[in-house]
Amino acid sequence: AQSVTQLDSQVPVFEEAPVELRCNYSSSVSVYLFWYVQYPNQGLQLLLKYLSGSTLVESINGFEAEFNKSQTSFHLRKPSVHISDTAEYFCAVTPSGNTPLVFGKGTRLSVIA
Amino acid sequence: DGGITQSPKYLFRKEGQNVTLSCEQNLNHDAMYWYRQDPGQGLRLIYYSQIVNDFQKGDIAEGYSVSREKKESFPLTVTSAQKNPTAFYLCASSIEAGGYNEQFFGPGTRLTVL
Repeated sequence: AQSVTQLDSQVPVFEEAPVELRCNYSSSVSVYLFWYVQYPNQGLQLLLKYLSGSTLVESINGFEAEFNKSQTSFHLRKPSVHISDTAEYFCAVTPSGNTPLVFGKGTRLSVIA
Repeated sequence: DGGITQSPKYLFRKEGQNVTLSCEQNLNHDAMYWYRQDPGQGLRLIYYSQIVNDFQKGDIAEGYSVSREKKESFPLTVTSAQKNPTAFYLCASSIEAGGYNEQFFGPGTRLTVL
């Protein structure tokens, strides 16, 4: 069975500083990996995903994540955060096929002015 | 606009009562999902449906029931058998079954048991 570990439950960071949100997964098969973002009192939105190909994937708002198979990680990074990035971020994994996503417990990113 | 709607946004219920949460989508998606979100617990899958008239239990199905009579609708009933129902409930859909497909989420329903 797959599982996802988000190592930090809360990450405070000053505006314009870099940030990394860590995600590790466990699976014995090839996986698809996702980051979703949840703004306060809203549903989740897809931020970026890795299905195959280049191990570095990017979102339209400056986030990127790198799939590292040897370390079973999919850490999310942004070189310079904005106040508007304050949200909860969820890493999720699924193996190939019709298996539903398994979500991590989330990391709450708080950007401080 | 295409999307997923959940109603009501806030719901209060007395202990021992059943309550039904609505989820409707106009995205023409085959697959639909119900999640429960508790602080610090992430999202846990309650039920999912890959196609009309078919659904499967997720990780925490006890105390919940669903139906999928129409493609666009996937209501969730929280029964009196659910011992701790106070939570934020999220509905999602994807174009077809398979976790690799992007899931689109509704705005959620916050259920409080009084």
